[in-house]
Amino acid sequence: GAGVSQSPSNKVTEKGKDVELRCDPISGHTALYWYRQSLGQGLEFLIYFQGNSAPDKSGLPSDRFSAERTGGSVSTLTIQRTQQEDSAVYLCASSQEAGSRNEQFFGPGTRLTVL
Amino acid sequence: DQQVKQNSPSLSVQEGRISILNCDYTNSMFDYFLWYKKYPAEGPTFLISISSIKDKNEDGRFTVFLNKSAKHLSLHIVPSQPGDSAVYFCAASALGNMLTFGGGTRLMVKP
Repeated sequence: GAGVSQSPSNKVTEKGKDVELRCDPISGHTALYWYRQSLGQGLEFLIYFQGNSAPDKSGLPSDRFSAERTGGSVSTLTIQRTQQEDSAVYLCASSQEAGSRNEQFFGPGTRLTVL
Repeated sequence: DQQVKQNSPSLSVQEGRISILNCDYTNSMFDYFLWYKKYPAEGPTFLISISSIKDKNEDGRFTVFLNKSAKHLSLHIVPSQPGDSAVYFCAASALGNMLTFGGGTRLMVKP
């Protein structure tokens, strides 16, 4: 079956613009996670969704970042008024359920460059 | 403050020899540890994991060792193959919560 897909694969934007990044999780997976990887850094947790529960937003770096998950499937990560430090690879992952013991399957990521 | 650290950004090994990737952590509440492998332009893929009740877990050529007293874990790959060349991330979690990742180690296996 299809894995996690993300779009676009690359996004170049100007400082101050808003961007939307999309994630299509594996069908049937109830948990969805967003991470980002800045240059030379590890994966930084941003937010996760589990079913219909309120999302865990504890990793979002500022209020310019928000995410939605419509119908328990597709998710969109929105960054408003982008800054150069937002440049990173944004990775989405899904798992059958939330929790570290459930294997997370990652998408290929969206490389965001803010000029 | 980084709770999970991979102090070696890169490692070069000859094909057929052993690769040893190291990871240190500071949070004593971590009870589950994982290794992920990442190729360029792809997302990370799960490799192997270990619970804190064990000190070793083996899967084919891959073995993870956990030393809780030292808050250290390592991934051994033997024999190393050129296809193992990738970035390896160590990750940890506490009580089934979110994963905290290290910064990664780039492994290069030379033919």
